[in-house]
Formats: sequence, structure tokens, C-alpha cells
Amino acid sequence: GDSVTQMEGPVTLSEEAFLTINCTYTATGYPSLFWYVQYPGEGLQLLLKATKADDKGSNKGFEATYRKETTSFHLEKGSVQVSDSAVYFCALTFSGGYNKLIFGAGTRLAVHP
Amino acid sequence: DAGVIQSPRHEVTEMGQEVTLRCKPISGHNSLFWYRQTMMRGLELLIYFNNNVPIDDSGMPEDRFSAKMPNASFSTLKIQPSEPRDSAVYFCASSLRPESNQPQHFGDGTRLSIL
Repeated sequence: GDSVTQMEGPVTLSEEAFLTINCTYTATGYPSLFWYVQYPGEGLQLLLKATKADDKGSNKGFEATYRKETTSFHLEKGSVQVSDSAVYFCALTFSGGYNKLIFGAGTRLAVHP
Repeated sequence: DAGVIQSPRHEVTEMGQEVTLRCKPISGHNSLFWYRQTMMRGLELLIYFNNNVPIDDSGMPEDRFSAKMPNASFSTLKIQPSEPRDSAVYFCASSLRPESNQPQHFGDGTRLSIL
């Protein structure tokens, strides 16, 4: 079945370090891909998305590129801040369906000053 | 703009009691989702409504769980009787017409503790 695999956390970084959170997917078709972020005590918020191969989603300094050949959607940021500390979820969904999101397990990021 | 509103934010009750969680989706959204989040199982989709009609309830754990959407601006998730293993954070999310892959907008969740 369709699934999303994320790197296990926690990821611990110092402020201004480079961030990569790996995400790979298994899907029978061509899904849309998303990154959601969950701050402590809050619900999930859409961070960025890409709907077709080679698309790059970007927001708040975060980027991710839809790589069909490697079935990946890795999240990157050049310089993290303490305020980026949160749990990050990679997810996929298919057009033509009812927008059912399939989530990865989430990766916790902790950024220290 | 108001986001998805859930109530209560926290609920603590004893085993065997009925629990009702409430959700008000974003105005104009016609898709509504209920999720459960636990450390062990992550995020699980419980049920999905489109235009107030339940479309997929395959994620509902068992008959103790039920969900309704009497109108476009309100939904409930009920657990009766509640058990300690139901302790989790329950999220409601809404989105525009599903076939367009619009993002889901989540509420802040209800943290449920069953003693």
C-alpha cells in the first residue's frame, strides 16, 4: 500500500545549522506531496507542497523538491532558528480521491541557541 | 480569519463515561476529517465527511466511536463508553473540495485523558 517513511528523530541542531529531514514514499500513482509542521500544543500547519515531479515547494526558508526518480521529498533549510523547533510530518495524497492524507511518523527537531 | 475550532481543548474523565468532542470547520470548507494522534501509532485518520456525509469511516476503531456532521458548520466525535486506551489528542481538519488537493487545515486538538 501507499506509505511515507521519514528519518527518525529527534534531530538536534545548533542555531544557524543546515537542516535536512529525509522523506521517501511508496505510491502506485503520482501523488501530491506535503510537509506539515506541528508546534508544541498546536495542530498541524501546512508548511509547503509540491504536486508534480520536479516541483519545488518553499516557505519560511524551507524547501523540498519532488523527486520522482528517487521517490523522495526531503525537507531542507539553510539556517535553522530556535523557533523552528517542532515536529515535521511528510505526507502524500492523490488527486481524484477525497484528499486522504497519508502521513509519515513525524520527525522532531530541536534547535539550541 | 477563524481557523478550525475544536472544543474542549482538554478533557479528563473516568473510564466508562461518554465523551463528546466538537469541531467547527472553516466556513466554506466542505470536507472534514477527524484524526487521532498517539505516540505509539502516530496520526490516524478516523473518519472523513464530504458535504456533511460520512464517506470513509474505516479508521473508526470500534463501535464505541461515532461521528456526526448535522450541518456544514459543526461535527462531533463521540466515545461511549470511554476506555483508558482512548487517551490521545484528537484533531479535526477541514479543506475545500477534495478533488483539488487543497491542503487540510487543522484545529489545535482536544487532549483526552481517560482515567
